[in-house]
Amino acid sequence: AQSVTQLGSHVSVSEGALVLLRCNYSSSVPPYLFWYVQYPNQGLQLLLKYTSAATLVKGINGFEAEFKKSETSFHLTKPSAHMSDAAEYFCAVSEGNTPLVFGKGTRLSVIA
Amino acid sequence: NAGVTQTPKFQVLKTGQSMTLQCAQDMNHEYMSWYRQDPGMGLRLIHYSVGAGITDQGEVPNGYNVSRSTTEDFPLRLLSAAPSQTSVYFCASTTIAVGGNIQYFGAGTRLSVL
Repeated sequence: AQSVTQLGSHVSVSEGALVLLRCNYSSSVPPYLFWYVQYPNQGLQLLLKYTSAATLVKGINGFEAEFKKSETSFHLTKPSAHMSDAAEYFCAVSEGNTPLVFGKGTRLSVIA
Repeated sequence: NAGVTQTPKFQVLKTGQSMTLQCAQDMNHEYMSWYRQDPGMGLRLIHYSVGAGITDQGEVPNGYNVSRSTTEDFPLRLLSAAPSQTSVYFCASTTIAVGGNIQYFGAGTRLSVL
């Protein structure tokens, strides 16, 4: 069965600094991988998804993620953090049309 | 385009009460799911449905019941509420596409069971 591990339940960065949120997955077949963002008191919004077309995936709001099969990782990055990036981020995995399995989330704080 | 609509947004129940959380989508998606979100636990799948008349259990189904009589609606029933069911509940509707499905989430229902 597939699973996701997000390293770090809370990450704090300074405004303008690099954002790196880590995600490792386990899957018995080539996976589909996703990053979602949740702003306070809101639902989840899709940031980006990996579908095997390209290992480097660009998403909304300047975020991108790189699929590394050898490391079973799908880390999320953004070159320069903005205050508006403060939110909770979830990595998720799916095997074909199976339901998404989510990681436990990483809360990103951005310090002015 | 409303997307996924959940009602109510907030609810307080007493232990033992029953209630139904409503979820409706207007995107004609076959696939719908219910998750609960608890601090430090991420989102856990309660039940899901791959089409009208078809439902299946997820990771944490106990204490919840679902049915899918139409494509648009996927209600979640709490049969006898318990404090352990205090949580935020999210309904999701999924488009199945080449390259993997994409889930669209409702705004959530915050439930407190006293």
